Amino acid sequence: NAGVTQTPKFQVLKTGQSMTLQCAQDMNHEYMSWYRQDPGMGLRLIHYSVGAGITDQGEVPNGYNVSRSTTEDFPLRLLSAAPSQTSVYFCASSSPIPPYEQYFGPGTRLTVT
Amino acid sequence: RKEVEQDPGPFNVPEGATVAFNCTYSNSASQSFFWYRQDCRKEPKLLMSVYSSGNEDGRFTAQLNRASQYISLLIRDSKLSDSATYLCVVSESLLDRKVTFGTGTKLQVIP
Repeated sequence: NAGVTQTPKFQVLKTGQSMTLQCAQDMNHEYMSWYRQDPGMGLRLIHYSVGAGITDQGEVPNGYNVSRSTTEDFPLRLLSAAPSQTSVYFCASSSPIPPYEQYFGPGTRLTVT
Repeated sequence: RKEVEQDPGPFNVPEGATVAFNCTYSNSASQSFFWYRQDCRKEPKLLMSVYSSGNEDGRFTAQLNRASQYISLLIRDSKLSDSATYLCVVSESLLDRKVTFGTGTKLQVIP
């Protein structure tokens, strides 16, 4: 199993550009989530999904959209990139068995200039 | 007050030493507790869950103190490979998989 995969690993955007961060998992997990990690802030939840067709907002959803058309894929879309969105983005999927361990992808390092 | 607080460190300890980290949480209704490990520029990985009775996995021991609202991680016989950032993670519900991450405690084990 590949686990959780993310692409791209690195990305530089100009302010106002849009892009999609890809995330896929092959563990058949229903629960998936997106986090951003900034220095001194810890990981913060952007959006999450409890299954195909169902998404919800986390702590910091503004400026981001998600969709979940399949169990495997959970892309994160930046609508109009801003320098404040410079961060490391992690996608995660959660085991359906308590205590619901989260498995993280390798991350995408995004810089917005 | 932050929901989950950790001393950022760094904790610089010699090989073979014992080191302990604490993490405090603000929500007394929190139900699930975890320690994750994150290596530099890598993704977090689960180190261990923390159970009410405390639990041990090799050189690692985790404890929960509900009365004082903190969890701890003890590492015995530190190895160079233990150098990483240790993230405290708390969930308010046994069913809800939304969790809150601490900012992490950095450990550097020195030869």
